[in-house]
Amino acid sequence: DAGVTQSPTHLIKTRGQQVTLRCSPKSGHDTVSWYQQALGQGPQFIFQYYEEEERQRGNFPDRFSGHQFPNYSSELNVNALLLGDSALYLCASSRDPGLDSPLHFGNGTRLTVT
Amino acid sequence: GQQVMQIPQYQHVQEGEDFTTYCNSSTTLSNIQWYKQRPGGHPVFLIQLVKSGEVKKQKRLTFQFGEAKKNSSLHITATQTTDVGTYFCAGVGSGGSNYKLTFGKGTLLTVNP
Repeated sequence: DAGVTQSPTHLIKTRGQQVTLRCSPKSGHDTVSWYQQALGQGPQFIFQYYEEEERQRGNFPDRFSGHQFPNYSSELNVNALLLGDSALYLCASSRDPGLDSPLHFGNGTRLTVT
Repeated sequence: GQQVMQIPQYQHVQEGEDFTTYCNSSTTLSNIQWYKQRPGGHPVFLIQLVKSGEVKKQKRLTFQFGEAKKNSSLHITATQTTDVGTYFCAGVGSGGSNYKLTFGKGTLLTVNP
């Protein structure tokens, strides 16, 4: 039973560029959340997708957008990259109904913006 | 907005000593979850507490949820080198359509063998 898979594992981009990160949830899970984790910090909630719609959003600018596909996989897009966007981006899946469902995290994508 | 604070930020212990990390929320929580992240790894779910005053045990780990559902603690008895990692608490605010899990900054535990 495959867990949460994310791609790519590492990425180096230049300021101003755009990036797309991908996530496949754990089998049987239909909800995907994205988190940003800066070095030495806790994960910060970006947004959550359920039934192909953004259900809730954290305090992130519109440069951060996402999508969920019919097979429950998800993408995170970041436009106009800033140096401060350098972080580990974690995808987490869960089985809705949601509040009691623990999150299963992927290994993350390490994004470096130069 | 909701804030979750954890103390201490770091804790270094000798193997065999006990360890406790504390978590406080600025708002009442519907539930609280604990995760462990090993160095270079991703957060892994440990446990969820839902009821006021709830206490749960997993072998050497004891988790508590405060009566007011605003604070929680994790206690490890007789630490081992395998306990090394960062322990995060994460809470969901009560009321409304809130699906956001807010993480604390974590407590980094190192264990000297």
